[in-house]
Amino acid sequence: GQQVMQIPQYQHVQEGEDFTTYCNSSTTLSNIQWYKQRPGGHPVFLIQLVKSGEVKKQKRLTFQFGEAKKNSSLHITATQTTDVGTYFCAGPYNQGGKLIFGQGTELSVKP
Amino acid sequence: NAGVTQTPKFRVLKTGQSMTLLCAQDMNHEYMYWYRQDPGMGLRLIHYSVGEGTTAKGEVPDGYNVSRLKKQNFLLGLESAAPSQTSVYFCASSYSMVLYNEQFFGPGTRLTVL
Repeated sequence: GQQVMQIPQYQHVQEGEDFTTYCNSSTTLSNIQWYKQRPGGHPVFLIQLVKSGEVKKQKRLTFQFGEAKKNSSLHITATQTTDVGTYFCAGPYNQGGKLIFGQGTELSVKP
Repeated sequence: NAGVTQTPKFRVLKTGQSMTLLCAQDMNHEYMYWYRQDPGMGLRLIHYSVGEGTTAKGEVPDGYNVSRLKKQNFLLGLESAAPSQTSVYFCASSYSMVLYNEQFFGPGTRLTVL
């Protein structure tokens, strides 16, 4: 069945270091979304990418959608303690409206 | 606006007991979803609804039932709880199910089944 895989599962960084999480789909996606979940919190929508090769930035966060629309990445420059949490990618299930989520990448930042 | 709210926040059940989780949204969204979150497995869709009076199965529907009698409410029921249903349950809603269909999540319900 359709799968969305995320790596790594965990990432521990020193504050100020960069961080990247990768998302790979077994099928071509019409779009991909990214969410952030703080420890003990709920997922919060960050961004949606739609176009092949699209790159979007939100301050220190850079999101990319692959040319083949089967992979995506989230890169954080110079991490801060406020970046701590789990980052999920999600794509439409069978091209419908339901979302299938990756397993998430848990980021911890050591001050 | 409260957004998406869930009750209760925490619950402990014994095996075989039943319970209902309530989700409410005040954003007039048509689409609502129930997920469960387990360590290392991300969010898995249990059931969803595309409008008042409609429900459909998601990825892991066994052992759960849902109802959407009012547009703003989406109920998740466990008829006979099992320890495998110990999890954190999130409700979400969205304006659309196609493009630009960001989902808004509730705070979650942490359920333990003994």
